[in-house]
Amino acid sequence: DTAVSQTPKYLVTQMGNDKSIKCEQNLGHDTMYWYKQDSKKFLKIMFSYNNKELIINETVPNRFSPKSPDKAHLNLHINSLELGDSAVYFCASSPRGEYGYTFGSGTRLTVV
Amino acid sequence: KNQVEQSPQSLIILEGKNCTLQCNYTVSPFSNLRWYKQDTGRGPVSLTIMTFSENTKSNGRYTATLDADTKQSSLHITASQLSDSASYICVVSESSDYKLSFGAGTTVTVRA
Repeated sequence: DTAVSQTPKYLVTQMGNDKSIKCEQNLGHDTMYWYKQDSKKFLKIMFSYNNKELIINETVPNRFSPKSPDKAHLNLHINSLELGDSAVYFCASSPRGEYGYTFGSGTRLTVV
Repeated sequence: KNQVEQSPQSLIILEGKNCTLQCNYTVSPFSNLRWYKQDTGRGPVSLTIMTFSENTKSNGRYTATLDADTKQSSLHITASQLSDSASYICVVSESSDYKLSFGAGTTVTVRA
């Protein structure tokens, strides 16, 4: 199936831990993104990578570090997790020109 | 202040009825406007995308309109079905690459 897939789907962890969320797309898109959707359902962009190069970094704490080993993967590593990091994190990808923007199904992170 | 405002925040309709969702935006310069449907626990899925020159676009029972002069868009759902229960998100793209502005969404509940 052609898609944006992210793992895990659910993640429950304690405060202070370090965790990673993985994202892969097999659509051949050039650009990948990480979004955070808070409890009010509002989607906010965190990072964007184009061909492994960081192009958007939206005032995200430096505890969040994206890693793009190749243009089909964009992983999100979070250090020293805090309660406020609890949210649903969406990965997305798009080809050049924005059409065909595709979201993954989300990772629900709960920090306890 | 968010650059994309949606109304109403939520609505409940009976199966088979029509409804219209509103989106006002201040994003400039404007590139395109998209409507997404997000089912509970899933990622957003694109319904329509309209550029500056397009006034209306349909996707099955979904019809989106755009007035780029007044910076308003609407999404009309015809003959609603139970499967239309979801959050509908208006997203506006700036002319610069990769920059999307998201509305907070309208939650639609269709009841039998």
